[in-house]
Amino acid sequence: DIVMTQSPEYLAVSLGERATISCKSSQSVLYSSNNKNFLAWYQQKPGQPPKLLIYWASTRESGVPDRFSGSGSGTDFTLTISSLQADDVAVYYCQQYYSVPSISFGQGTRLEIK
Amino acid sequence: EVQLVQSGAEVKRPGATVKISCKVSGYTFTDYHIHWVQQAPGKGLEWMGLLDPEDGETMSAEKFQGRVTITADTSTDTAYMELRGLRSEDTAVYYCGRVEVRGVIPYWGQGTLVTVSS
Repeated sequence: DIVMTQSPEYLAVSLGERATISCKSSQSVLYSSNNKNFLAWYQQKPGQPPKLLIYWASTRESGVPDRFSGSGSGTDFTLTISSLQADDVAVYYCQQYYSVPSISFGQGTRLEIK
Repeated sequence: EVQLVQSGAEVKRPGATVKISCKVSGYTFTDYHIHWVQQAPGKGLEWMGLLDPEDGETMSAEKFQGRVTITADTSTDTAYMELRGLRSEDTAVYYCGRVEVRGVIPYWGQGTLVTVSS
């Protein structure tokens, strides 16, 4: 099983500042035949299902603000929010889909306003 | 518009069985896989299993094997997740989610809260 580990578990950032969340996988999620990383990011607010933000490690889902960006390859990935807005307060999860049909999520990072 | 609508909250006794439905609309049910995900109170997302509605093939996470059954009813475009032998630690919100690309899940049900209590 591929284990996903996020850091930090809790992050407080001032409005307008950059927020950075890390995600590491226990094995590479880079598929060599197409050079794609099978890694997604989700945002979850209280009482709501997760919302897909990014897939293929760096492709933004339609409608997601461009202040959200994803980077990384292999086993190390980053979600960056370039200028934190109040609406971005949420829990963020990374997810690997390399081992489909099974998938796995990181433990989550809670992002709040400092 | 793609929609996944889940059945309502349940309260169950320890040892009981719960069956949650996930009715889809806005697309062809058999064209996309559906995942089930558990979220205990204040905890993260845990993958439970996968359904291929086209042929009924399923796969479940090792943690739930032997207790979970995932099925499809193509006549009603509905996926089901049944969890048996409920215990207090199964108290959680259960989500169904439709895959778009491989294991990416852009479409989710609203969630179903299952409370296990004596």
